[in-house]
Amino acid sequence: GDSVTQMEGPVTLSEEAFLTINCTYTATGYPSLFWYVQYPGEGLQLLLKATKADDKGSNKGFEATYRKETTSFHLEKGSVQVSDSAVYFCALSDQLGSSASKIIFGSGTRLSIRP
Amino acid sequence: GAGVSQSPSNKVTEKGKDVELRCDPISGHTALYWYRQSLGQGLEFLIYFQGNSAPDKSGLPSDRFSAERTGGSVSTLTIQRTQQEDSAVYLCASSLPAGTHNEKLFFGSGTQLSVL
Repeated sequence: GDSVTQMEGPVTLSEEAFLTINCTYTATGYPSLFWYVQYPGEGLQLLLKATKADDKGSNKGFEATYRKETTSFHLEKGSVQVSDSAVYFCALSDQLGSSASKIIFGSGTRLSIRP
Repeated sequence: GAGVSQSPSNKVTEKGKDVELRCDPISGHTALYWYRQSLGQGLEFLIYFQGNSAPDKSGLPSDRFSAERTGGSVSTLTIQRTQQEDSAVYLCASSLPAGTHNEKLFFGSGTQLSVL
């Protein structure tokens, strides 16, 4: 079945460092891809998404490009801040048909940023 | 309310008891999802509803787990004869109709289930 694999955490960086969190997927169809974020004490929320190959999703300085050839959707940010400390989840939408989709999440990567 | 509402927020139960968890999605959201998040683990897909029907029940861990949705709105997740390994945060999410490339999930705050 479809699946999402993301790099294990925790990831600890200094403020203003460059961030990459790797995510690869396995899917039989043409899924949409997502990054969700869970800040401490808060619920999960959508960070960014891409719906087709070569699309780039971006939000709050984060970017991820849908790479069909490498089945990847790596999350990047050029200069992280302490406020970016959170757990990040990569996800895909499994298009079961024209009217249904199952959204599968990776295991999550905990990111901690040191001042 | 404007968001996804889950109740109770916390539930402590004894092993072997049945529990019922409730999710009230955002009005107009026809898709509803249940996930389980164990301590230090990722999100485990349990079941998904489109309207009142569940196209995919493959994530339910065992036949002790069941879920229903009535009126295309409120959903209940029932766990019978709870076991200690059922302890986790149960998350509900809703979204606009799928297949429109608008599968943004809105999550509730979850129900923390502790089985003693």
